[in-house]
Amino acid sequence: EVQLVESGGDLVQPGGSLRLSCAASGFTFSSYSMNWVRQAPGKGLEWVSDISSGGSNIYYADSVKGRFTISRDNANYSLFLQMNSLTDEDTAVYYCARSRVPYTISPFDYWGLGTLVTVSS
Amino acid sequence: DIQMTQSPSTLSASVGDRVTITCRASQSISSWLAWYQQKPGKAPKLLIYKASSLETGVPSRFSGSGSGTEFTLTISSLQPDDFATYYCQQYNSYWTFGQGTKVEIK
Repeated sequence: EVQLVESGGDLVQPGGSLRLSCAASGFTFSSYSMNWVRQAPGKGLEWVSDISSGGSNIYYADSVKGRFTISRDNANYSLFLQMNSLTDEDTAVYYCARSRVPYTISPFDYWGLGTLVTVSS
Repeated sequence: DIQMTQSPSTLSASVGDRVTITCRASQSISSWLAWYQQKPGKAPKLLIYKASSLETGVPSRFSGSGSGTEFTLTISSLQPDDFATYYCQQYNSYWTFGQGTKVEIK
């Protein structure tokens, strides 16, 4: 069974940093692109970042480019999101999500339960 | 950037109703469109990919159509479990979600 479990969400002050993790299991992690998607309280879904299966291709939404860094550890079935220079607009539940088809751009077929990041003084 | 616009934002319907949600892309995305269902406090669930392909395990009352810039999600006979928020997503160029359509009980 595919499982994605996010962790690392917390209350952080504006300008601060946070690192999110996503532990994957139940599939061959190294074959799939992985993504972070966020959802601000009461708002819609916003794609944040994508990393290819081997980690060589990385994409970011304009809203986080230059502040967030996605990475992965295929040996340990883990996905990460380093978030710097946080603002209150980054307050959201952050989901880890798997791309549906290996090695191609595709929608997201498995999602974690999410981890809440709150940016506030 | 490709923008996705859903309509309506909210839809009131009764059990058994046929429901249609529309999603428009700001430029052609061929058939690279997915639909998701999200319930409060839960992660989104993939329903349809490539505009009209049903994800495994999704009931056949859900269907999708369209190509280019205009797409629809149809629920043929609304069930109690279907009251939720629905999002379209383009994956022609990176990934963009529509703003969502909340299907509520009439």
